[in-house]
Amino acid sequence: QKEVEQDPGPLSVPEGAIVSLNCTYSNSAFQYFMWYRQYSRKGPELLMYTYSSGNKEDGRFTAQVDKSSKYISLFIRDSQPSDSATYLCAMSVSSNTGKLIFGQGTTLQVKP
Amino acid sequence: EAGVAQSPRYKIIEKRQSVAFWCNPISGHATLYWYQQILGQGPKLLIQFQNNGVVDDSQLPKDRFSAERLKGVDSTLKIQPAKLEDSAVYLCASSLDRGDYGYTFGSGTRLTVV
Repeated sequence: QKEVEQDPGPLSVPEGAIVSLNCTYSNSAFQYFMWYRQYSRKGPELLMYTYSSGNKEDGRFTAQVDKSSKYISLFIRDSQPSDSATYLCAMSVSSNTGKLIFGQGTTLQVKP
Repeated sequence: EAGVAQSPRYKIIEKRQSVAFWCNPISGHATLYWYQQILGQGPKLLIQFQNNGVVDDSQLPKDRFSAERLKGVDSTLKIQPAKLEDSAVYLCASSLDRGDYGYTFGSGTRLTVV
């Protein structure tokens, strides 16, 4: 069993839709949770960063962490074709290591 | 601010050959990472440097992979000899310090072993 599980998709939605992306994890020691966006043939770029449980909002993006269920989500409101990319969740146990454990990524396509 | 520079962008080699990748992190970033991303998978950490010292190389196949960070700045990752399963994108990332999860990734080197 992988430490972090993520549905690879692909997920296809019409422009303007609300998108929900999810990850589950098995290691209860994870405390730091991130979402990265990766365009084709580019490196991942950090979208959202959350410590422990709760919600965090940044523009059209909302990240949720439910540590009791070992489940994290990323919501994208008013999705745009430019949001078409692979979304990777990533996690870490400590603030001192820097090491991230990534999910396999979900490919999202937003159709105009 | 210049990003993380990696070269080459693409490399095709035959199995059992050797290959080297180069990374120049963002100026002032103390922590440097090499991740391996196999097609359809998330990145996996190979090695982490803090300045010019190794912090974590637990997932580096040391019988064939080696890495160094010269003077705490540039870094090279070498594979010798390469295997078919080494075909992947090798991503370099840097951050200000170990506890900074605001990584900046380079665009990666896409390696194909035939």
